[in-house]
Order: sequence, then C-alpha cells, then structure tokens
Amino acid sequence: NAGVMQNPRHLVRRRGQEARLRCSPMKGHSHVYWYRQLPEEGLKFMVYLQKENIIDESGMPKERFSAEFPKEGPSILRIQQVVRGDSAAYFCASSPTGTNTEAFFGQGTRLTVV
Amino acid sequence: GDSVTQMEGPVTLSEEAFLTINCTYTATGYPSLFWYVQYPGEGLQLLLKATKADDKGSNKGFEATYRKETTSFHLEKGSVQVSDSAVYFCALSENTGGFKTIFGAGTRLFVKA
Repeated sequence: NAGVMQNPRHLVRRRGQEARLRCSPMKGHSHVYWYRQLPEEGLKFMVYLQKENIIDESGMPKERFSAEFPKEGPSILRIQQVVRGDSAAYFCASSPTGTNTEAFFGQGTRLTVV
Repeated sequence: GDSVTQMEGPVTLSEEAFLTINCTYTATGYPSLFWYVQYPGEGLQLLLKATKADDKGSNKGFEATYRKETTSFHLEKGSVQVSDSAVYFCALSENTGGFKTIFGAGTRLFVKA
C-alpha cells in the first residue's frame, strides 16, 4: 500500500504563471487535506476535501487558489497567477473514513516562484 | 478556535542529554494529540499519538502523555542522538467527520556529537 504521493516534488514557476500540484491519497482514503508551510514556519491548514466535495476551505486564500478532488484521479491544488509570496512547501494528507485515526502526509511539493 | 502552542526553538543539546519540548493546546472538544517530526527536506512523519486523556504515546524512545487537566502533551526523550536533529511539530485533530489537523509552529532540535 503506497503512501500519499505528491508530484512534482519541486516546481519552479515565473510570476504570473499557473501552478498545479497533485496529490494521490492512500488507497481507501476518501479525505484529503492540503497544508502550506512557509519557510521556518509550521503547517497552515488550507482546505479539506472528500470525493467531489469541498468540506472546509477556511484556510484557502479567496483569490487565485482552488482545489478539487474528482471522482477519478488525484486531488489538485491550483494556484493561478503565482506571486513570490506563494513560494512555500505544500503538503497533502489523507485519512480514511471512520474515527480514531490520523492523517498520513505526503512528501510535499516545494514551489518556488521566480 | 483550536490552537497548539509549543516552545520556541532552536533547542541545542549534546548527545545523550535529556529532551523536553513543551506543548499546550486549546480545543473545544476531545481532540487526539500528535507529535510529528520533519527531517531536512522531507515531509512529516508521525512520531507518536494519544487519543484520550492519560494515554501515553511512545516511539523510538520518545514519549508524551495526554494531560487533560493541564491541556498539555509534552515530548520527552531520555537520551537524544545526533540523528534526532529535526523539527518537531505538536498537533491536534478533532474528529468532526474528517481529521483536519492543527499544528504548532514547530521546534527545531540540534543535537551535537
């Protein structure tokens, strides 16, 4: 059972371009979470999705950021018109349905905006 | 809202020293508590967890006890090694149908040989 897979591991974009970050949850997991880690800071929650639904997007910036988790395929975090301040590590986590468990994290995607 | 506060770093210790990293939390319900470790350039790995009051989580010589009366979950290790150098994150999750995790700011640990 492979872990949470994120790709790419490293992504470089010029200001104004779009960034697409992909996350494949662990097999059997239907909950996906995205977090952002700025340099020398902790992880900040961005969005929580279940298949085809956004459950909690209270941590998502109101503009330029969007997330989806389609019925088939990975979850996608999309950042349009990137700016230097978007440079960060973006981590995805997944969990199964049910209780008393934890979320499993991917290795992260390090986005650099130049 | 829920929050986690942990001691600021960096913490610098000599090999075989005793480690304590303090963590306190604020939560409306009965959260599960976690310690995650992040090695340089890596993602987060779950180090240990506790799901109810008075539970003790332990792994690789690290341990932490869920103290509801003091809302704390301090991380301890009796004898640290150079390989323990990393950033340690205290975290909580309230099971509200999913497992959204709230993290502390992280504490960087340096262990000198």
